[in-house]
Amino acid sequence: EVQLLESGGGLVQPGGSLRLSCAASGFTFTTYAMTWVRQAPRKGLEWVSAISGVGDFTYYADSVKGRFTISRDNSKNTLYLQMNSLRAEDTAVYYCAKYGSSWLIASWGQGTLVTVSS
Amino acid sequence: DIQMTQSPSTLSASVGDRVTITCRASQSISTYLAWYQQKPGKAPKLLIYKASSLESGVPSRFSGSGSGTEFTLTISSLQPDDFATYYCQQYNSYSPTFGPGTKVDIK
Repeated sequence: EVQLLESGGGLVQPGGSLRLSCAASGFTFTTYAMTWVRQAPRKGLEWVSAISGVGDFTYYADSVKGRFTISRDNSKNTLYLQMNSLRAEDTAVYYCAKYGSSWLIASWGQGTLVTVSS
Repeated sequence: DIQMTQSPSTLSASVGDRVTITCRASQSISTYLAWYQQKPGKAPKLLIYKASSLESGVPSRFSGSGSGTEFTLTISSLQPDDFATYYCQQYNSYSPTFGPGTKVDIK
């Protein structure tokens, strides 16, 4: 069974930084591209970033480009999202997710809440 | 970027009703369309992929159809567990985009 467990969320001041982690299990981690999707309070879903299975390709939404960095450690089966220069509008639940065939998001973690506020 | 729209934004229905939600893409996405169900405080759950393929374990009362730019999700007989928000999502590229959601609540 695929399991994705996010951690690292919390309260941070505007301009601050935070690193999210996602521990993966139940599948061959290196085989699958991974992604982060966020959901602001009482809002819809927004794709944030993606990374290929071996980590050689990364992709970002325009709203986070230059501020967020996605990475993975395949030896630890862990996905990361380094978030810098955080803004109030980055406040959201951040979900780690696994791609299936093509770019279908097949499995989701339970999410971790990031709150950017002074 | 491909934009996704959904209608209606809210739908009030009763147990046993047949429910249909429409999703439209701003350009053709072939059948790279998924439907998710989300309940408050929970992660989205995949229901339908490739426009009409039912995810394993999902009840057969859920079905999807469409191709190109217009898609529908149908719940043939609404059950108490189905009151939730439903999102469509195109996955034609690495940057998926989601519809704004349709909330199905109790009439």
